[in-house]
Amino acid sequence: EIVLTQSPGTLSLSPGESATLSCRASESVSYTYLAWYQQKPGQAPRLLIHAASRRATGIPDRFSGSGSGTDFTLTISRLEPEDFAVYYCQHYGHSPPLFTFGPGTKVDFK
Amino acid sequence: QLQLQESGPGLVKPSETLSLTCTVSGGSMSDSYYWGWIRQPPGKGLEWIGSIYYSGSTYYKPSLKSRVTISVDTSKNQFSLKLSDVTAADTAVYFCARRERGIVAPIGYFDSWGQGTLVTVSS
Repeated sequence: EIVLTQSPGTLSLSPGESATLSCRASESVSYTYLAWYQQKPGQAPRLLIHAASRRATGIPDRFSGSGSGTDFTLTISRLEPEDFAVYYCQHYGHSPPLFTFGPGTKVDFK
Repeated sequence: QLQLQESGPGLVKPSETLSLTCTVSGGSMSDSYYWGWIRQPPGKGLEWIGSIYYSGSTYYKPSLKSRVTISVDTSKNQFSLKLSDVTAADTAVYFCARRERGIVAPIGYFDSWGQGTLVTVSS
């Protein structure tokens, strides 16, 4: 079973700064099946990125994803106040079908 | 616009069975989608529980498989979760979510989520 590790656990930044979030898989995975979600308190997760770098519908272009193999990155340029949240990476393994989430990175106000 | 809404008891006693239903509105439970359950213990991360296709085929997280049953009723636009023999460790917000089936290859993410419902396991 793939294990996802996210770093840092918490990122303290100010609006206007950029955030770089890391997701590392325990073994090489297909970028096709790596996604990122944003979750705010009391809300459901929201899909941001799929296939490692493809923004979901309606997601601003300040969110970008990259990576391959075992190392993936979510970058948020020019943080807006509404971007302060917890971000999860997620992998789908299709043989057998299995979804795995990382432990999350919290982006909070410095 | 697609909406998913979880419903069910907010309190379940230890050793009993947790039962939740997700009602899908604004869209049909067609052959284009899988439907899943994900949970989140208070203050912790997300854990996928299992998924079901409209035909009824299911797949579950291996560590929960012995206790989980997911079923679908397309006539009511609903799918359900049953988790047996619950303990305090099953206390969580339970989300239902949708995943596209994919034509050429599987789709590996959830694009629509319910708001979640908190289930507490306590006597």
